[in-house]
Amino acid sequence: GESVGLHLPTLSVQEGDNSIINCAYSNSASDYFIWYKQESGKGPQFIIDIRSNMDKRQGQRVTVLLNKTVKHLSLQIAATQPGDSAVYFCAEKRECDKIIFGKGTRLHILP
Amino acid sequence: DVKVTQSSRYLVKRTGEKVFLECVQDMDHENMFWYRQDPGLGLRLIYFSYDVKMKEKGDIPEGYSVSREKKERFSLILESASTNQTSMYLCASSLGVSAGGASNSPLHFGNGTRLTVT
Repeated sequence: GESVGLHLPTLSVQEGDNSIINCAYSNSASDYFIWYKQESGKGPQFIIDIRSNMDKRQGQRVTVLLNKTVKHLSLQIAATQPGDSAVYFCAEKRECDKIIFGKGTRLHILP
Repeated sequence: DVKVTQSSRYLVKRTGEKVFLECVQDMDHENMFWYRQDPGLGLRLIYFSYDVKMKEKGDIPEGYSVSREKKERFSLILESASTNQTSMYLCASSLGVSAGGASNSPLHFGNGTRLTVT
């Protein structure tokens, strides 16, 4: 069946290095993708989004890349900081504004 | 800033009880959603609504119902709670097309209700 998923459940990165979190999606009709960050005890928080007519979008320290050919989405975090420790979810918009989430990747920042 | 408020942070109920989870948003958003979050399974969509009195089933609607009598409030109802409904429940809202915003708008989440059914 169709799904939004992540390649790795846990990612450990040295503080100051760049982090790359990957996501695969299978619904070729999806036209909008979002990355969320969830810290312990809180609801998911919006980080950055991208529409299917783009292949790259940059925010503050974050970049999202979209490769529609292979249905792949990635989130790059530059100069990772301790406050970036969280679970990261990708999500896609399907019909009728239905937003479907992946299972999440936990990002650990090593001192 | 958008605020999505879930009425209870923690809730403990007994098997067979009828349970109401309440969610209110203050930004006049058209769309509202209920998800449950379980370890290893991520967020799964239970129900969503894109207008008052309208509802759509998500991926796991069984055992749940919803109510959207007012635009700002979206209630999740467990008709007869069971232990497999022990979970973290997350409510979210987003702009809809009819609000004049783009159809592509991110969800804004509440901080969740952790429900335990014993």
